[in-house]
This record gives sequence, C-alpha cells and structure tokens, in this order.
Amino acid sequence: GNSVTQMEGPVTLSEEAFLTINCTYTATGYPSLFWYVQYPGEGLQLLLKATKADDKGSNKGFEATYRKETTSFHLEKGSVQVSDSAVYFCALSDQTGANNLFFGTGTRLTVIP
Amino acid sequence: KAGVTQTPRYLIKTRGQQVTLSCSPISGHRSVSWYQQTPGQGLQFLFEYFSETQRNKGNFPGRFSGRQFSNSRSEMNVSTLELGDSALYLCASSPASEINEKLFFGSGTQLSVL
Repeated sequence: GNSVTQMEGPVTLSEEAFLTINCTYTATGYPSLFWYVQYPGEGLQLLLKATKADDKGSNKGFEATYRKETTSFHLEKGSVQVSDSAVYFCALSDQTGANNLFFGTGTRLTVIP
Repeated sequence: KAGVTQTPRYLIKTRGQQVTLSCSPISGHRSVSWYQQTPGQGLQFLFEYFSETQRNKGNFPGRFSGRQFSNSRSEMNVSTLELGDSALYLCASSPASEINEKLFFGSGTQLSVL
C-alpha cells in the first residue's frame, strides 16, 4: 500500500539555522511527491513537488529531491526565518487517484529569533 | 480571486446526530476533494468529486457521503456521528482532476462531537 513516514516533531530552530525534515515513502509504481505547508489558521499550501526520480522541487528557498533508490523526499532549507514557522506535510500521489494524496503526519517547525 | 471557502468554521454536535459541511471551490475549479485531519491519524482522503461525479473514495464508512452541485460547490455529510468523527475537515479544489495537479485547500471546518 501507499504510505508516507515523516520525521517526528516538533522541531525548534534558531533563525538562520539549516533545516532538514525527513520524509520516506512506500508506494506501488512511480508516485509523485509533494511538500505542503500549513501556516497557523490557514489551509494547506503546496510548497513544492517532484514528479519523477531525481527531480528537484524548489520554492521559497526550500528544496527536496526525489530519491527513488532510498524512497525519500527530504525537505531542506539553508537558512530558516521566523516566518517559516508552520506545519510541513510530505505527501504522495500514486498516479491512480489524481487528487487522492497520501499524507505524512506533519512536522511542526518553530523558528525562534 | 477568492480562495476555497468552507462553512461553517466550527461545529459542535452530539453523538448520533448528522452534520453537513459545505465547500465552495475557487471559481473555475471543477474538482473538489475532502480530507479528514486528526492528531492521531493525520490527513486522510475521504473522496473526490469532479463534474458532479464521485471519482475516488477513501477508506471511510458509508456514514460519510458527499455530493457536488452543477456550480462545483460541494457538501459532505456525516450521519450518526461518533466521538471519533471529531476532526478538522478540509476541502481542496483544483481546476481539473489531473495527476500531479496543485490542490488549493480551505481553512477547514472544525467538528467536535460530544
């Protein structure tokens, strides 16, 4: 079956620190991979995506590379800001159900000044 | 352009009651999906509607149902509420029902079952 395993949170970092949030997946076939972010009081927003192996998704300084050999899609940012404080969700789409996304449990990030 | 609008924002019901939640997608979007978010299970897919037809369904009991109207607005209904149905219910819309398409989420309806 399809599943996503995310690094347990919460994660607390100082401003300008390096961020890594680990995400691994189990899927049949060739899934597409996504990172969504949920800011306080708001709905989820797509942060970045990758649709095939070795693709790198990037947005707002965040990056994640689709690694088929390790079934991973880790989220990274070189220098976090207070405004990056949010809950981050890794997700996959299994190519059969277009808008049926399988989400990880989410990782809460708090960035302190 | 207005975002995805979900109403009501909060609901309190008692066990055994039924509830209807509403979702208005972004103008021009024809696909609406519903997700349940709980602290224990995270985000789980309920179902997706496209052009008034249910396209996909998650692994939820028949007490959970939905529909979509000709203007793409969608409702989901939960009958015979149980305590475990307490959750944040999220609606997401997209222009079509394409693989890899970006979903636009609403802020959700927080349902509490007492």
